[in-house]
Amino acid sequence: GAVVSQHPSRVICKSGTSVKIECRSLDFQATTMFWYRQFPKQSLMLMATSNEGSKATYEQGVEKDKFLINHASLTLSTLTVTSAHPEDSSFYICSGRGGADTQYFGPGTRLTVL
Amino acid sequence: AQTVTQSQPEMSVQEAETVTLSCTYDTSESNYYLFWYKQPPSRQMILVIRQEAYKQQNATENRFSVNFQKAAKSFSLKISDSQLGDTAMYFCAFMKHVGTSGSRLTFGEGTQLTVNP
Repeated sequence: GAVVSQHPSRVICKSGTSVKIECRSLDFQATTMFWYRQFPKQSLMLMATSNEGSKATYEQGVEKDKFLINHASLTLSTLTVTSAHPEDSSFYICSGRGGADTQYFGPGTRLTVL
Repeated sequence: AQTVTQSQPEMSVQEAETVTLSCTYDTSESNYYLFWYKQPPSRQMILVIRQEAYKQQNATENRFSVNFQKAAKSFSLKISDSQLGDTAMYFCAFMKHVGTSGSRLTFGEGTQLTVNP
């Protein structure tokens, strides 16, 4: 199956700092990547859709200036949480759209903002 | 807008037995995909099975099979010979077919399945 990696798996940062999360498709090219946020015992909430070489499309209520998404290549998308605050603490998951319109997910990144 | 409903927040099954997780959805689309993903304690989302709406034949993957009832907008997952490693949160998901541009997944709220020894 298609493999997606995420880095880092865990990050702890101080309030006010920025954090970058990388999402890579290892064995396929993902023209479209998705970023999700998941709270404990809840479903995945789509934050944004990114297409290679173009601006990301953000879901309603997601601040695009706080959650910067860059999809510079067919195998790499990054999510930068700018000026992070404790309420941004969450589990962030990316996925890449692979063959047959199927999304393959990364292992997730747990962000803790102190 | 599409909605996906999983009416069973939690389920349990004895090892080696069979369990069925239910999922219903609402859409006006005629061409779409349905998925079941599992999320074990590691929180890695894993594709379990995929169904294309235009196919009448139910998808199967080893011990996993679906009962796809398009008219009823129902998409249940049957797990046969349950194993301890099947313990996970299971999400039903819908995606409308939009060709090469792709589309977002709409997830249900999930069903926590526990397989007991």
